[in-house]
Amino acid sequence: GAGVSQSPRYKVAKRGQDVALRCDPISGHVSLFWYQQALGQGPEFLTYFQNEAQLDKSGLPSDRFFAERPEGSVSTLKIQRTQQEDSAVYLCASSVYQANEKLFFGSGTQLSVL
Amino acid sequence: EDQVTQSPEALRLQEGESSSLNCSYTVSGLRGLFWYRQDPGKGPEFLFTLYSAGEEKEKERLKATLTKKESFLHITAPKPEDSATYLCAVSPGYNKLIFGAGTRLAVHP
Repeated sequence: GAGVSQSPRYKVAKRGQDVALRCDPISGHVSLFWYQQALGQGPEFLTYFQNEAQLDKSGLPSDRFFAERPEGSVSTLKIQRTQQEDSAVYLCASSVYQANEKLFFGSGTQLSVL
Repeated sequence: EDQVTQSPEALRLQEGESSSLNCSYTVSGLRGLFWYRQDPGKGPEFLFTLYSAGEEKEKERLKATLTKKESFLHITAPKPEDSATYLCAVSPGYNKLIFGAGTRLAVHP
């Protein structure tokens, strides 16, 4: 595709509900990143994949957050038992490099937990 | 602790009025410093990477410079279409980027 695609664009969840956020990176991009962006703040790192391998998950805030990229392309970020503090924009980015060089970001999924 | 501080938080300019945005950082071994632009409702868009003190990069009306403790994004004769949030990020390694909170720039005709 032309860019990184994320779906859904908006998600409203009731507290305690599980959600799954999808990311389609640019075809052929080796690296995939998930970031969380609160209103008025910069993005915060969550996790990093190189192909299908999750090389860094140090930014995941709790064990309720889980990410996967089973075939080295599409990735899913899952949040279990959502809490109000999980409300944020979740950004996915990909790079042709095996590193965080020149990331291409999607437009994000805005998650609101009520 | 690795940290990025951007100033000012917001900046209003008249079209053609040049200015600079500041990014101060503390990091345990800088591998690279990055500038991104973010428009409302969109993800950040890559602008520049700087690797060593003294390095400069230019793109249209933007020029980024780097010292050992800070980076500047100079905007020359800005236009309304330059209005956006400008994000600075540092990389201590090859995985995560540590972003600042950004500078919201508004350029008025």
